[in-house]
Amino acid sequence: KNQVEQSPQSLIILEGKNCTLQCNYTVSPFSNLRWYKQDTGRGPVSLTIMTFSENTKSNGRYTATLDADTKQSSLHITASQLSDSASYICVVSASTGTYKYIFGTGTRLKVLA
Amino acid sequence: SQTIHQWPATLVQPVGSPLSLECTVEGTSNPNLYWYRQAAGRGLQLLFYSVGIGQISSEVPQNLSASRPQDRQFILSSKKLLLSDSGFYLCAWSTKRGYNEQFFGPGTRLTVL
Repeated sequence: KNQVEQSPQSLIILEGKNCTLQCNYTVSPFSNLRWYKQDTGRGPVSLTIMTFSENTKSNGRYTATLDADTKQSSLHITASQLSDSASYICVVSASTGTYKYIFGTGTRLKVLA
Repeated sequence: SQTIHQWPATLVQPVGSPLSLECTVEGTSNPNLYWYRQAAGRGLQLLFYSVGIGQISSEVPQNLSASRPQDRQFILSSKKLLLSDSGFYLCAWSTKRGYNEQFFGPGTRLTVL
């Protein structure tokens, strides 16, 4: 069964600190993996997208890694800001030709001043 | 550039009333279109997707229906709303080539009383 699991479920950190969010997946055949940021009451916004051959991708203070062998991905946030408070969703796309996207339940991050 | 619109932003409806949510995409042609529902604190659930005008695929049996009367218009409907239809509804589009990356609309918060 295709699944995406994220941890932790929620996280609270102080402004300026770094944090790492985890995503484990069992999706086959794998096409790509995305990280989205979703502010409360808004639609998700894409942060990074990685294919099988990509190990790391950065977008400003966000750096995503992918280990296709262990089927794990992480999202590292450097020097957190209050505006980073949001839910972060890991989405894995299966290359089945039917445009299937498997969503994780997200990690809710709260950055405190 | 491409943009995706959803309306209304919020909606409060009584049980048994009809529903019509609209989504339109600008700046692209022949997109794949999707309707998702997100319950509080949970992941996104795919409701419908469409690869072309008049072509609708339903992922789960439910009280809702979808239609695509024009290439860049996607409508979510119900004849009689249930309490369980409350949630955050997101429309998304993706290309048919490349990574099929999804882009989400701002969402509609539906409360059924």
